Amino acid sequence: KQEVTQIPAALSVPEGENLVLNCSFTDSAIYNLQWFRQDPGKGLTSLLLIQSSQREQTSGRLNASLDKSSGRSTLYIAASQPGDSATYLCAVRLKGGSYIPTFGRGTSLIVHP
Amino acid sequence: SQTIHQWPATLVQPVGSPLSLECTVEGTSNPNLYWYRQAAGRGLQLLFYSVGIGQISSEVPQNLSASRPQDRQFILSSKKLLLSDSGFYLCAWRGGGYNEQFFGPGTRLTVL
Repeated sequence: KQEVTQIPAALSVPEGENLVLNCSFTDSAIYNLQWFRQDPGKGLTSLLLIQSSQREQTSGRLNASLDKSSGRSTLYIAASQPGDSATYLCAVRLKGGSYIPTFGRGTSLIVHP
Repeated sequence: SQTIHQWPATLVQPVGSPLSLECTVEGTSNPNLYWYRQAAGRGLQLLFYSVGIGQISSEVPQNLSASRPQDRQFILSSKKLLLSDSGFYLCAWRGGGYNEQFFGPGTRLTVL
């Protein structure tokens, strides 16, 4: 059974710092990995999707990398801003026709001015 | 473009009352649909998913049920709510060329 772990569970940083959020998974036979952002009381917003054949994806100040052999993905946030404050979740979908992704518990990020 | 709607946005219900939450997707056809629950301080729990009309798979035993009467409509129901049913309910669909998952805005349910 796939297990997804996100470390740290919470993070508080001053504005302007570059951040790395981690997502690790136990089964490397993945189909894709997706990073989400969730603001308090809101639904999940898709940030980046990495296919199994890809090493990284970039969108603006966000960069997500994937290393299947080590069972890890990292979300890099450059020049953090207070508006980046949210919970970040990763979800891993296995190969083999599974329709169900496995979610991590998320990293709660606070960027203070 | 595709959009996903959920209603109501918030709901306060007494214990023992029935429940009906609705989710609809626009701009796509034959999506895979999901119901999740997010309880305070806990992770995202998959409740049901559906690959087509009338096809429902349940992930956890509970007093909730789901139905998919139309291609782009997914309904979460209960005949009698429990206190433990309180939480944030999220509907999601999966599709597109890269099988990306997209979420609705959620329904906050409080059972008193």
